[in-house]
Amino acid sequence: DIQMTQSPSSLSASVGDRVTITCRASQDISNYLAWFQQKPGKAPKSLIYTASTLESGVPSRFSGSGSGTDFTLTISSLQPEDFATYYCQQYDRYPVTFGGGTKVEIK
Amino acid sequence: EVQLVESGGGLVKPGGSLRLSCAASGFTFSNYNMNWVRQAPGKGLEWVSCSTSSDNYTQYADSVKGRFTITRDNAKNSLFLQMNSLRPEDTAVYYCARGRWLTVTTDFDYWGQGTLVTVSS
Repeated sequence: DIQMTQSPSSLSASVGDRVTITCRASQDISNYLAWFQQKPGKAPKSLIYTASTLESGVPSRFSGSGSGTDFTLTISSLQPEDFATYYCQQYDRYPVTFGGGTKVEIK
Repeated sequence: EVQLVESGGGLVKPGGSLRLSCAASGFTFSNYNMNWVRQAPGKGLEWVSCSTSSDNYTQYADSVKGRFTITRDNAKNSLFLQMNSLRPEDTAVYYCARGRWLTVTTDFDYWGQGTLVTVSS
């Protein structure tokens, strides 16, 4: 199975900060990478797919980049509603697998 | 509006069985691959199973293979997960999720709110 490693596992940031989350795949997955946001007690919500395509309705402060094995989710200016846990997911190879998550907390 | 509503979760003893349901609306259900993804308490996400749009192909995670069965009823816009020989490690919130692409390997564009399965004596 392809292992997805996210870093950091948690971070503290302030409203207005630029936040970057990294996801590394254990092998080349081209651009078959998605990002999800999950708030406590809620279902995951799709943010980005094919590494950099923004889901409809997702604010433009979210962006994704990368290909191959290294990927990044960036929030350009953190808003109060962005405090959540973020997961990456590869869908290049069966079985699809997720990263361990990055919890974004208020500083 | 796309909606996925899971039901059927609950408390079950080890070795027991449970059947989860997912009622879909707001899209042409028969055109999409549908999946179950689970999340153990305080843990990350784990893909469980996929049913292709025509129900002629199913796939399972190794952790549930031989114990869980995914089915769908396209006429009733419903997805099911029959879970047998349940183990404590199957305790999780189970989400129904729509596959974005018509491949088993896909990301998920819509998720239900989840249903909690607790396996404990």
